Amino acid sequence: EIVLTQSPATLSLSPGERATLSCRASQSIGNYLAWYQQKPGQTPRLLIYDEFNRATGIPARFSGSGSGTDFTLTISSLEPEDFAVYYCQHRSNWPLTFGGGTKVEIK
Amino acid sequence: EVQLLESGGGLVQPGGSLRLSCAASGFTFSTYAMVWVRQAPGKGLEWVSAITNNGAGTYYTDSLKGRVTIFRDNSKNTLYLQLSSLRVDDTAVYYCAKVRANCCWHFDLWGRGTLVTVSS
Repeated sequence: EIVLTQSPATLSLSPGERATLSCRASQSIGNYLAWYQQKPGQTPRLLIYDEFNRATGIPARFSGSGSGTDFTLTISSLEPEDFAVYYCQHRSNWPLTFGGGTKVEIK
Repeated sequence: EVQLLESGGGLVQPGGSLRLSCAASGFTFSTYAMVWVRQAPGKGLEWVSAITNNGAGTYYTDSLKGRVTIFRDNSKNTLYLQLSSLRVDDTAVYYCAKVRANCCWHFDLWGRGTLVTVSS
């Protein structure tokens, strides 16, 4: 099983700041990584798939990068609606797994 | 409207069984693979099971293997998850989700979830 480790667990930032979230895989997963956003009481929303492709309707301030075992989700300038929990997920092999999440909170 | 709507959750005793349903609308259900993902209270996301668009391929997480069956009825645009021998730690919101494309197990449409509570 591929373990995805997200860091930090919590990121405290102010609106307008840049957010950098990390996801590290226990073995190489190529570029088969997605990022999701989940707000309290809401369902997850696909942001990025296959490392860097933005899903439909996702603003350009969200970007993904990396490959192999180390991946980054960057939010270039935080908007108030971006404060949420973010999860990474791989599709490299079975079982599919999610990372433990990074909470982006208002400082 | 494109949506997924889960049902069938509820309170069940340890050792009990439940069948969850996920009704799809607004897209061609038979075209897409589907998954179930669960989230225990206050915890992260955990993939549970997956099924190909025609139902020929099914996949399960090890922690539930032997206690869960995924299946679908494309004529009814409905996905199912049969849960048995339920344990307290199976308590979670169970989401169904649709793949973005059949090449790729990433999920672009999620239901609102159905809560399964396992307790005596």
